[in-house]
Amino acid sequence: GAGVSQSPSNKVTEKGKDVELRCDPISGHTALYWYRQSLGQGLEFLIYFQGNSAPDKSGLPSDRFSAERTGGSVSTLTIQRTQQEDSAVYLCASSLGLHNNEQFFGPGTRLTVL
Amino acid sequence: GENVEQHPSTLSVQEGDSAVIKCTYSDSASNYFPWYKQELGKRPQLIIDIRSNVGEKKDQRIAVTLNKTAKHFSLHITETQPEDSAVYFCAASIPGGEYGNKLVFGAGTILRVKS
Repeated sequence: GAGVSQSPSNKVTEKGKDVELRCDPISGHTALYWYRQSLGQGLEFLIYFQGNSAPDKSGLPSDRFSAERTGGSVSTLTIQRTQQEDSAVYLCASSLGLHNNEQFFGPGTRLTVL
Repeated sequence: GENVEQHPSTLSVQEGDSAVIKCTYSDSASNYFPWYKQELGKRPQLIIDIRSNVGEKKDQRIAVTLNKTAKHFSLHITETQPEDSAVYFCAASIPGGEYGNKLVFGAGTILRVKS
């Protein structure tokens, strides 16, 4: 079956512009996670959804970052007024949900802020 | 909150030798510990996981051990092959009650297998 997909695969933007990153989870997966991976670094947790609810937004780096999920499926991560330090690969993952299930990762969106 | 430390940050081994990567965690409520492998330019993929009700799990050349008392767990790869070269991440779950769990990842270990 289809895995987690993300779009776009690459995004180059100018400093100060807003960007939207999209994640399509595996069908039936109720949990969805966003991570950020800077070059050569680990996985930094940003936010996760259980259905349409986001019980944990603690990882969002600033109020320029927001995310939503509608219909319990597709999620978008929005970064407003992008800065150069936002450049990274943004990974989305989904799982069957609730407790201790394997997270399946998407291919990521590579964001470059000039 | 939960903190996961991973060592070493880089590891070079000769083909055929064993490799061991160690992680420690801080939250005694953590009860799920997966390991992910990320090849260059690709997405992380689960290679093995262990739950807190067992102390060891093995899958062919890969094994994971868990010591709940000491709060550490380790990945063991035997008879390493060049295709094992990748970045390996450990993770520990953070219980979220009715909202489910999230994972906290270690910083990763770059494994190089020299042929």
